Amino acid sequence: EDQVTQSPEALRLQEGESSSLNCSYTVSGLRGLFWYRQDPGKGPEFLFTLYSAGEEKEKERLKATLTKKESFLHITAPKPEDSATYLCAVQAVGTSGTYKYIFGTGTRLKVLA
Amino acid sequence: SQTIHQWPATLVQPVGSPLSLECTVEGTSNPNLYWYRQAAGRGLQLLFYSVGIGQISSEVPQNLSASRPQDRQFILSSKKLLLSDSGFYLCAWSTGMGQFGYTFGSGTRLTVV
Repeated sequence: EDQVTQSPEALRLQEGESSSLNCSYTVSGLRGLFWYRQDPGKGPEFLFTLYSAGEEKEKERLKATLTKKESFLHITAPKPEDSATYLCAVQAVGTSGTYKYIFGTGTRLKVLA
Repeated sequence: SQTIHQWPATLVQPVGSPLSLECTVEGTSNPNLYWYRQAAGRGLQLLFYSVGIGQISSEVPQNLSASRPQDRQFILSSKKLLLSDSGFYLCAWSTGMGQFGYTFGSGTRLTVV
């Protein structure tokens, strides 16, 4: 069964304390892996798309990497404004040839000043 | 630039009452449109998607329906709400099949009492 699992569920960091969030997936026919940021009471905001193993994308203090089984979102020297829920999603090809988009449950990140 | 509008932001409705949530997109033509529901501690659940006017695909059998009367308008409805319909509803759009990611609206918090 296609599945996307994110860990940890929640993470508390001190300001400046770098860490990584994990997104592991088991899907057939991966078309892309997506990272989103979601603030409380808001819709998710697109961050990155990764298409193939070995690919990396960066945006400010965030860096996303992809392997054949998982993706990492590295946060370098985080600031309190980086506090949010980070969602991972994969797009895969279904058995009927249609695309399906599967979201993980997210990692709630809290950065303390 | 493309924008997506979703309203209302919050809604409290009694059990058995009807529902209508509206979503409109600006700045793009022929978008793919999606309705998602997000429950606490769970991933985003795709409810409906539409690739064109009048074309609706349902992913989960439920008490809800969707319509797309215009190219950039997507409506989520119910004739009689259930307690289990409570949740955070998100509208999203994409170009193509979402291979470049989704753009989400700000969401509607629905509480059925």
